[in-house]
Amino acid sequence: ETGVTQTPRHLVMGMTNKKSLKCEQHLGHNAMYWYKQSAKKPLELMFVYNFKEQTENNSVPSRFSPECPNSSHLFLHLHTLQPEDSALYLCASSQEIRGGNEQFFGPGTRLTVL
Amino acid sequence: DAKTTQPPSMDCAEGRAANLPCNHSTISGNEYVYWYRQIHSQGPQYIIHGLKNNETNEMASLIITEDRKSSTLILPHATLRDTAVYYCIVRTLSYNAGNMLTFGGGTRLMVKP
Repeated sequence: ETGVTQTPRHLVMGMTNKKSLKCEQHLGHNAMYWYKQSAKKPLELMFVYNFKEQTENNSVPSRFSPECPNSSHLFLHLHTLQPEDSALYLCASSQEIRGGNEQFFGPGTRLTVL
Repeated sequence: DAKTTQPPSMDCAEGRAANLPCNHSTISGNEYVYWYRQIHSQGPQYIIHGLKNNETNEMASLIITEDRKSSTLILPHATLRDTAVYYCIVRTLSYNAGNMLTFGGGTRLMVKP
């Protein structure tokens, strides 16, 4: 238990569906992240939110839309996805201090796009 | 951030020390060495980090060479539960940019009975 929860843990969706992934951190951190892990590929950073402000968008297609309503919650809204978007989506959080700090990861959402 | 090179896989006998190497020959003076691991189907887990000095915590020890061009993560008494992919990451720390981590392929450690 890392203090970062993600729901749902598994999701199957069609290409025309709209769904959302949810992440919640109970650690009092002020930075949150979305990563994507495809089969046989390294983890890829997608988005960074620092004090609820998006500070990084790593060339992610617009069919992925993040939302950070407060420092404890992070969403990833999905629409018109492609089968190649099937992957493990991981959320992480950290406490930003001078010099940085380690990231705590959630268990991930396993997404399958049919 | 500097690039790292790790062997793709290693085996270790249960109860023995696991020594995982990492090369980061282009590391700059303000870059830290971080280690994370990812057990199958779980999110990555932070292990340890260091700048110049060797570091030890309850999970592992980190040995950084004097020229900082390589490091070794040591799990002193590996157990079956230490079977995972271990990632060595080198990064500059920036307060404003967020703690971005760039993951490579890592080393798949298999601890065997």
